[in-house]
Amino acid sequence: QVQLVQSGAEVKKPGASVKVSCKASEYTFTGYHIHWVRQAPGHGLEWLGIFKSTGVRTVYAQNFQGRVTMTRDTSTSTVYMELSSLGSEDTAVYYCATEMASAYYFDSWGQGTLVTVSS
Amino acid sequence: QSALTQPPSASGSPGQSVTISCTGTSSDVGAYNYVSWYQQHPGKAPKLIIYEVSKRPSGVPDRFSGSKSGNTASLTVSGLQAEDEADYYCNSYAGNTGFVFGTGTKVTVL
Repeated sequence: QVQLVQSGAEVKKPGASVKVSCKASEYTFTGYHIHWVRQAPGHGLEWLGIFKSTGVRTVYAQNFQGRVTMTRDTSTSTVYMELSSLGSEDTAVYYCATEMASAYYFDSWGQGTLVTVSS
Repeated sequence: QSALTQPPSASGSPGQSVTISCTGTSSDVGAYNYVSWYQQHPGKAPKLIIYEVSKRPSGVPDRFSGSKSGNTASLTVSGLQAEDEADYYCNSYAGNTGFVFGTGTKVTVL
């Protein structure tokens, strides 16, 4: 299984942006997609989008289109998720997770990154 | 894209069975056999326990089983054990709109 290591906790002010990284241990970018999922305190899981290893690179959830951007750095086996125009409702733990291409499930998860939005 | 509907809670005594439903639409659960289930203990990342409606990853006990009928998927935990107490989430592929999670169910072992 691919091991995923995410960047550390962040504190941001309302209106700012945050960029969370997800580094894969054995990621060749040819067989795995990376998904981003968040969980607000005391709430359920919410899918933000996918960065695909091939083809059309990104698909974003409707609720986040225009605010989320997913990119990758092949040289460091790292995928990034940037969320802009932050509000208090964006306070959550953000997870990255792998999907073996066209498997349609998430088999490895990062440890999570807490993003706190507070003035 | 609305969340799939799950009951907020379910419970059972050790050794008993509990079944959790996950209701979607003809655009997600009803359209694809790509329903997966995740177990999440407090403070931990989710863990895959069922994929493609009823398949178990290696290492997941056969006490966990999944099924689907129409727009509703179900997860059954048989022979409940103390360590099964956790939150459970379903997820479905939804075509061009991506993926959608269920609202989550807290399972309590009495």
